[in-house]
Parts: sequence; structure tokens; C-alpha cells
Amino acid sequence: EVQLLESGGGLVQPGGSLRLSCAASGFAFSSYAMSWVRQAPGKGLEWVSVIYSGSISTYYADSVKGRFTISRDNSKNTLFLQMNTLRAEDTAVYYCAKVGDSSSWYFDLWGRGTLVTVSS
Amino acid sequence: SYELTQPPSVSVSPGQTASITCSGDKLGDKYACWYQQKSGQSPVLVIFQDSKRPSGIPERFSGSNSGNTATLTISGTQAMDEADYYCQAWDTSTDVLFGGGTKLTVL
Repeated sequence: EVQLLESGGGLVQPGGSLRLSCAASGFAFSSYAMSWVRQAPGKGLEWVSVIYSGSISTYYADSVKGRFTISRDNSKNTLFLQMNTLRAEDTAVYYCAKVGDSSSWYFDLWGRGTLVTVSS
Repeated sequence: SYELTQPPSVSVSPGQTASITCSGDKLGDKYACWYQQKSGQSPVLVIFQDSKRPSGIPERFSGSNSGNTATLTISGTQAMDEADYYCQAWDTSTDVLFGGGTKLTVL
């Protein structure tokens, strides 16, 4: 079955760190760019970061640049998001998403999401 | 900074046509896509590259993109189409950008 399964979310204090994982199955993970998209409670979608298939290039939204790091392990079909210096405004459901075509950028497969809550 | 603007809400009667717009400066020069998100679920791609439908998406969903506006059209709208819809675009200067979302109500 083609799917993405996120894990690693939870409650963390402001200034803390968290590492999210996304396990991919059912497709050639190493061939595709992968991304993280988040959604604050009751709000819209916000793109967070993307990593190309060979891990050569990574890009970040201005809101997380310098605090979050995206990476991948193609041997384990897994995507990661290391989140440091977390803020209350980082509270959101974090979705892992597969990039269908890196020349036109759309996300054709989404995970169920993992909730990150930043609060004291 | 570049923005994509969607109406907060659109209402439609069952069987009628719903149109949801997404506006941005010279949006027609970029590729636009659309996602459907039902309550409590993950987003699902319904239109990519302006007007293409992924496999499994009903033919009643169609898209267009020209000038400053991309449009998602749902013909013969059904109750199951009630959801939030998000447009998304990308280019080298904007990275990935989502519209604010439109709540489609099927009355």
C-alpha cells in the first residue's frame, strides 16, 4: 500500500526540540522530493520545508529557517524534521507529503499528520 | 510578498456548479493545483498543473488558470464534496505557497 506515516509529535516546552519522522512505503521513496507541511489548529496549510531526492538541496519557509532541519534516509525510506528552539506558533499538525513533480510542485500523497504542541 | 487569495466560503446547492477562485499576481504564469480537505482528514490532491486530475478524482472536478486567477470548478456538486479547498502555487521566487482556503458548503 502506498502510504506515509508520521510519528514523533507531542507536547514540548517553548525553546525545546522535537524530531519528527515519516515512514514511506509502496513507492520508490528515493526518487522523489519530499516535504513537510503544517496546519495550526483551525487554520490553513503552511509549507515548511522540502528536500530533493538526493538530499543535495533543501529549502525552508522563512518562519522556520535556522531552527528546523529536514533530512532523509533513503536506505530506510524515512523523512525527518528536526525542530529546535520551538515556539508557541509552531503548534500544528505536521504532514509529510510526497512531491509529485519537482518541476511544477504539487503534493500527490499526504500522511495522516502528527500533532506538535508547544506550551509550558 | 506574494499572496494567494481565496474567498473564505462558497455555498452551492446539490447538483449545481461550484466555482472557487484563487487570485495572485500573474498567477497564470505559474502552475496552480488544488487540494480538498474534509473535516478531520488529510488534504487530497484534486487538480494539478492547472487542469489535470489525479487518478481516482471524479470528472466533475476541473481546473483552469489564466491571468491573475485560477479556478476550481465542481460540476454537479454532491454532498460528499463539502470540504475545505486550498489552492497552491510555486515558482522560484515564492517557493511553495498556499491560499488561505475556502469552505465549500453544499446546502
